[in-house]
Amino acid sequence: EDKVVQSPLSLVVHEGDTVTLNCSYEVTNFRSLLWYKQEKKAPTFLFMLTSSGIEKKSGRLSSILDKKELFSILNITATQTGDSAIYLCAGTSGNTPLVFGKGTRLSVIA
Amino acid sequence: EPEVTQTPSHQVTQMGQEVILRCVPISNHLYFYWYRQILGQKVEFLVSFYNNEISEKSEIFDDQFSVERPDGSNFTLKIRSTKLEDSAMYFCASSSPGLGMPDTQYFGPGTRLTVL
Repeated sequence: EDKVVQSPLSLVVHEGDTVTLNCSYEVTNFRSLLWYKQEKKAPTFLFMLTSSGIEKKSGRLSSILDKKELFSILNITATQTGDSAIYLCAGTSGNTPLVFGKGTRLSVIA
Repeated sequence: EPEVTQTPSHQVTQMGQEVILRCVPISNHLYFYWYRQILGQKVEFLVSFYNNEISEKSEIFDDQFSVERPDGSNFTLKIRSTKLEDSAMYFCASSSPGLGMPDTQYFGPGTRLTVL
């Protein structure tokens, strides 16, 4: 059975800290790993990763995939209170259902 | 920027009643999905739809559930006889092959279903 495991499940940091969120996956015929941010309702797309070792970056957020070790990390530098959310990781074999992890709940306090 | 829309945002119903949740996917997308998230739990796949038919469904998607694309824009999820355990947030998502990020699924804002 396909599965995605995220750690930690919960994290509290102070503004300005850097955080690293972890995601390991076991997905049959794996093709892509996706990161989403879920604040109040819908998951909003952050990154899609398909190739090992190539960092994707958007502002203070960055992510990288290791297809040999079957994991990905999401880094957030200089955290702000607006980064408080649940961060979801999901794997897919392509145009198939996303298999989600339980998420990491990040709380950034001023 | 195009987005997935869903109606209603919140639906309250009595156990045993039928509900229809509506979604308008992004217009040039070809794959459509329903997911649900029970409060405090992870997002779970229900069903995927492509080329006017179900392409994949999970164990959750039993005979009480059905999906339809009645016209060129809407995508609906029907629950025939709701149960208490159907209470959840239901998300619609869409994606499209051939674009820059074909595996990326874009999610709607969700419908919160409460079954009393």
